[in-house]
Amino acid sequence: EVQLVESGGGLVQPGSPLKLSCAASGFTFSSNWLNWIRQAPGKGLEWVASINPDGRRTYYPDTVKGRFVVSKDNAKNTGYLQMNNLRSEDTAMYYCARSDRTPFDYWGQGVMVTVSS
Amino acid sequence: DIQVTQSPSVLSASVGDRVTLNCKASHNINKYLNWYQQKLGEAPKLLMYNTNNIQTGIPLRFSGSGSGTDYTLTISSLQPEDVATYFCFQHNVWPLTFGSGTKLEIK
Repeated sequence: EVQLVESGGGLVQPGSPLKLSCAASGFTFSSNWLNWIRQAPGKGLEWVASINPDGRRTYYPDTVKGRFVVSKDNAKNTGYLQMNNLRSEDTAMYYCARSDRTPFDYWGQGVMVTVSS
Repeated sequence: DIQVTQSPSVLSASVGDRVTLNCKASHNINKYLNWYQQKLGEAPKLLMYNTNNIQTGIPLRFSGSGSGTDYTLTISSLQPEDVATYFCFQHNVWPLTFGSGTKLEIK
C-alpha cells in the first residue's frame, strides 16, 4: 500500500526557516517524482515544488522560487521541503504527493504550517 | 502561466442527477488535465488523469472528456458520498496550475 506521511510542521515567526519531511513506503521511491502542494485555510490548491526521481531536477512556481528547496533521499525513502524566509502568506496545509504515470496520484494526509508573530 | 478556470464555483444537485463540472484553460493543454476530489477534512484524491482515464478504484459513474482548452467531469448519477470539492489541474507546462474548485452539494 502506498503511504506518504508528512511531518515537521508547526508555528513559526515571519522570516524563519522550517523543514518538512515526507516519509514514503509501499512503492519504489527512487523511481518516482516527489511533489509538494499547499492549501491555505479555506482556499484552493497550489503546487509548490517538484523533484525528479534521481533528485537532479527541481521545479518551483515564482511564489516560492528562491525561498523553498525540494530534495529527496532515495536511500531513506524520504523527501524534504526546506522553506526559508517564511511569510504569512505561506500559512497553509502542506501535502506531499507522488507522481507515477500522472502527477499527484497519491497524497499524504498533510501537515500544517502557520507563519505568525 | 496557464490559467485554469472552473465553473460553476458551487453546484447543488439531487441524488441521481447527472452532473457536469467544467474546466477551461487559457491555452491548449493537450489533454494533460487531471481531476481531484477533496472531501471535507481530507487530502485530495485523484479521480481522472489525462482527461478521460479513470484512476483505479474510482466508481464508473465518473467520466471525463474534453480537448484543447475545454474539459468536463461528469457524474452520471450523483450519490451522497460525492459531496466534495472538485479541482481540475493542468500538467502540460510548468508552472503546474490548479483550478479554483467546484463545491458540489446535495439539494
